[in-house]
Amino acid sequence: EVQLIQSGAEMKKPGATVKISCKVSGYTFLDSYIHWLQQAPGKGLEWMGLVDPEDDKPIYAENFQGRVTITADTSIDTAYMELSSLRSEDTAVYYCAIPSGASGSYLDYWGHGTLVTVSS
Amino acid sequence: EIVLTQSPATLSLSPGERATLSCRASQSVYSYLAWFQQKPGQAPRLLIYDASNRATGIPARFSGSGSGTDFTLTISSLEPEDSAVYYCQQRSNWPPYTFGQGTKLEIK
Repeated sequence: EVQLIQSGAEMKKPGATVKISCKVSGYTFLDSYIHWLQQAPGKGLEWMGLVDPEDDKPIYAENFQGRVTITADTSIDTAYMELSSLRSEDTAVYYCAIPSGASGSYLDYWGHGTLVTVSS
Repeated sequence: EIVLTQSPATLSLSPGERATLSCRASQSVYSYLAWFQQKPGQAPRLLIYDASNRATGIPARFSGSGSGTDFTLTISSLEPEDSAVYYCQQRSNWPPYTFGQGTKLEIK
């Protein structure tokens, strides 16, 4: 069974940095890009970027460029998303997701989400 | 960046009725469009990919159609558990992958 297990909720002050992990099990880690998405309270989904675990090369959405760093550690089948210079608008649930290939390149496996609250 | 516009914003229907949700793209996405269902407190669930293919385990009452700029998700006979927010998403021209703003489906 494919599972994406994310780290727990975080509370941060404005200006701080948060780093969230996503451990993949039941699936070959190198076989698929790992995507990260943001969902603010009551809002829709926004794609932040992805990493190719084979070469640890990321691609970022322009909206997050310069503040987000996505990495992959193949030794422990875990991806990370680090977001810096946090502001109140970054309060959101962050998801990791992968396309397993069963549905083309679409995101068919998702983590449970990690709530990040930014407040002074 | 491709913008996806979903309509209606909210849809309220009774069990057994047919639901028709629309997604329009600002430029052609060919058939590279997916539909997701999201219930409160849960991660999104892939329903349809490449505009008309049901993902694994998705009931046959869910179907997708369209190509180019206009797409439809149809739920043929609503069940109470279909109450959720539905999002369309394109992967034709990325980065970024983009999503519509969502349609909230309420079952009366």
